[in-house]
Amino acid sequence: AQTVTQSQPEMSVQEAETVTLSCTYDTSESDYYLFWYKQPPSRQMILVIRQEAYKQQNATENRFSVNFQKAAKSFSLKISDSQLGDAAMYFCAYSQNTGTASKLTFGTGTRLQVTL
Amino acid sequence: GAVVSQHPSWVICKSGTSVKIECRSLDFQATTMFWYRQFPKQSLMLMATSNEGSKATYEQGVEKDKFLINHASLTLSTLTVTSAHPEDSSFYICSAPGAGGGYGYTFGSGTRLTVV
Repeated sequence: AQTVTQSQPEMSVQEAETVTLSCTYDTSESDYYLFWYKQPPSRQMILVIRQEAYKQQNATENRFSVNFQKAAKSFSLKISDSQLGDAAMYFCAYSQNTGTASKLTFGTGTRLQVTL
Repeated sequence: GAVVSQHPSWVICKSGTSVKIECRSLDFQATTMFWYRQFPKQSLMLMATSNEGSKATYEQGVEKDKFLINHASLTLSTLTVTSAHPEDSSFYICSAPGAGGGYGYTFGSGTRLTVV
């Protein structure tokens, strides 16, 4: 079974600074997707960034970028120029590419605080 | 973009009664719906997967008779918590895969269930 591990229960960053959230996963599959989701206090799940395992290039979305190390099974999220609105729970997630709908397996989450 | 409408947002019910939670895909057809449960300050745990026109698939440890899932049409999936007890109090979230282009997931806004 696939597992996703987030070893940082909480992180704090000052506004305008950069922070990196860690995620490791375990799978025997070679074709899969990795995600970072943000869950603010409203608890609505918001997709931050997505990475296809077959792509070597790291995904980027504005201030958000990932460091995808397939051999190490590592998928960290870097948030640059942190803003107060970035404060939330961040979940790393994995889904297998089966060609049909595949469930998401979530990590335990990292709570990010953004301070002035 | 793709939207999954989840209702109710919150519900309080008496112990022993049943509660139905609905998830509707508003602008796309959801042949599959994932149902997650999230306890306070914890991650999302998959409860079951519903598929239009077939029986739901439940994760290990989830009581099928307590959590009834029906995927009545390509736009509606429901979760009924039967004979609810205080330990069923949680946050329930539905998610439909594959909408919005690429390989993504659309989440409902969640239902906070409190059983008293």
